[in-house]
Amino acid sequence: SQQGEEDPQALSIQEGENATMNCSYKTSINNLQWYRQNSGRGLVHLILIRSNEREKHSGRLRVTLDTSKKSSSLLITASRAADTASYFCATDGGTDKLIFGTGTRLQVFP
Amino acid sequence: DAGVIQSPRHEVTEMGQEVTLRCKPISGHDYLFWYRQTMMRGLELLIYFNNNVPIDDSGMPEDRFSAKMPNASFSTLKIQPSEPRDSAVYFCASSLSREGWYGDSPLHFGNGTRLTVT
Repeated sequence: SQQGEEDPQALSIQEGENATMNCSYKTSINNLQWYRQNSGRGLVHLILIRSNEREKHSGRLRVTLDTSKKSSSLLITASRAADTASYFCATDGGTDKLIFGTGTRLQVFP
Repeated sequence: DAGVIQSPRHEVTEMGQEVTLRCKPISGHDYLFWYRQTMMRGLELLIYFNNNVPIDDSGMPEDRFSAKMPNASFSTLKIQPSEPRDSAVYFCASSLSREGWYGDSPLHFGNGTRLTVT
């Protein structure tokens, strides 16, 4: 079964707007990772946030983690058409397996 | 670094045929993973290796699926016989562990093999 569930399933915005995606998970984790997948390509790692961290930044990306709510969010600021992709969270669920969520499809219109 | 290399990129075969998917991980990485992606089931972990040894194959759907890693630079995923429901994109990924566990490290994915079984 899926450990992470992303919300929304799909998101459409205009260039320059911010995009926020959420990930909820079921069991305690050691860390949470976010990945991007462009159409027809493999997944690319974006950010890893540990369970004792609350926020992390990388360029235009901001990830937050709330372990009490078992949720994480990925914010992309000042989005670009090139950000169009599917975004996945992945968690270990306290196990030795990295399980991916269902993904959010982001469409950024020029 | 060339990244994770998978071949072929596309494979079309008839039901009952044997299919072999290939993967070359990033040099120096000690973990290798096989994932399957479908619209219905998303990304599923099939099997993973650590230092060429299979650690967990509980995600392998049936005995028709087998995976090997004869050395640190090569892995195969074989389906025999193939069935239409095996149609999916199969990804290989590798990772370099820290402190003996891969969960703290990013996975590096290949571009996948799109398998179509008719």
